[in-house]
Amino acid sequence: RKEVEQDPGPFNVPEGATVAFNCTYSNSASQSFFWYRQDCRKEPKLLMSVYSSGNEDGRFTAQLNKASQYISLLIRDSKLSDSATYLCVAIMDSNYQLIWGAGTKLIIKP
Amino acid sequence: DGGITQSPKYLFRKEGQNVTLSCEQNLNHDAMYWYRQDPGQGLRLIYYSQIVNDFQKGDIAEGYSVSREKKESFPLTVTSAQKNPTAFYLCASKGGALNSPLHFGNGTRLTVT
Repeated sequence: RKEVEQDPGPFNVPEGATVAFNCTYSNSASQSFFWYRQDCRKEPKLLMSVYSSGNEDGRFTAQLNKASQYISLLIRDSKLSDSATYLCVAIMDSNYQLIWGAGTKLIIKP
Repeated sequence: DGGITQSPKYLFRKEGQNVTLSCEQNLNHDAMYWYRQDPGQGLRLIYYSQIVNDFQKGDIAEGYSVSREKKESFPLTVTSAQKNPTAFYLCASKGGALNSPLHFGNGTRLTVT
């Protein structure tokens, strides 16, 4: 079993819809979590940090559920420009070890 | 502006040649990382360095080498021993706080024929 797992998708979603995907982690030593967005043939870019209290940035909401060991990303009122691959990453308490999910591909359709 | 610079953006080499990919950061980060990404795949860790003059192998270090002589620089050499070197290579750095995210360079796309 992979340490950080994501549904690879693709998620095909109509424009304006709400979409959510999760990222599960198996190592309870994971301390910090982030969502990144990666466009085709580009580098990953930080989307948002994930806190157990929740983190909202415009149309995006990230949440951490420590008891069930998963993080989530919710995108409201999806735009065509949201089409990308979304990567989650967990940082271990050693601070330098990062475990990446393989990414979830999102396609927003007009 | 602070950031990470990778060069070149595209690199073409003949099989059997070693090639060095540059990565420079001015974020004053101690930790630096090299990842490889193949089409449709996730990130795979090649090497990482927590501090100057120290580095550790990642999951796929075979056929690669690195150095960390300066805090700002973490070059990656793809040697002829790497069986399938054609890939997208990403360099990243991280600040010291636990909740500091990774910052990526723009990547180098290496093609070996």
